[in-house]
Amino acid sequence: ETGVTQTPRHLVMGMTNKKSLKCEQHLGHNAMYWYKQSAKKPLELMFVYSLEERVENNSVPSRFSPECPNSSHLFLHLHTLQPEDSALYLCASSQDWVHYNEQFFGPGTRLTVL
Amino acid sequence: DAKTTQPNSMESNEEEPVHLPCNHSTISGTDYIHWYRQLPSQGPEYVIHGLTSNVNNRMASLAIAEDRKSSTLILHRATLRDAAVYYCILISSGDKLTFGTGTRLAVRP
Repeated sequence: ETGVTQTPRHLVMGMTNKKSLKCEQHLGHNAMYWYKQSAKKPLELMFVYSLEERVENNSVPSRFSPECPNSSHLFLHLHTLQPEDSALYLCASSQDWVHYNEQFFGPGTRLTVL
Repeated sequence: DAKTTQPNSMESNEEEPVHLPCNHSTISGTDYIHWYRQLPSQGPEYVIHGLTSNVNNRMASLAIAEDRKSSTLILHRATLRDAAVYYCILISSGDKLTFGTGTRLAVRP
């Protein structure tokens, strides 16, 4: 498989559940990103990892916990979410953390919190 | 932060050229102009970027005004698959990729 993949593509969870979103890139990139896209709002950058180190955390609530075990994999662990956290969660990667490098996005995980 | 202004929506006929404008009057000398697009039910994809000179690639052309305060993304022959939201974004080294609301392009058959 090539490019950036995300699983699951759709997820429905209750507010007390714990779930994880997975992202994998097969491009040999060193930087990976989590974005949130809510209905009728622009994409919001959540987290940036460069060489497996978190380099940016945009005031994201602690109920979202990222993990980057290696340069090819990125997880977003979810717990005690709120209905307003329902959104499309997008993962992206780029060659490095110089932001004018082209970013490659996955198809996203559509999350619904009941 | 330097910001961009784009029309909310545009329409085009299939097989015709499309010119998508972007105003960025507060652009700084180190800002690159990037364009991404997001097709329905997909993540965004990179289209093109430039600094001062016009740029061409297999997807589109980017025309940058001499004063760099505006730019235009040109799709030479729109197809139905080009229907998407197009984002114009200014980025300097070390900046975040900050998306606005973009221009929703509809292509009529």
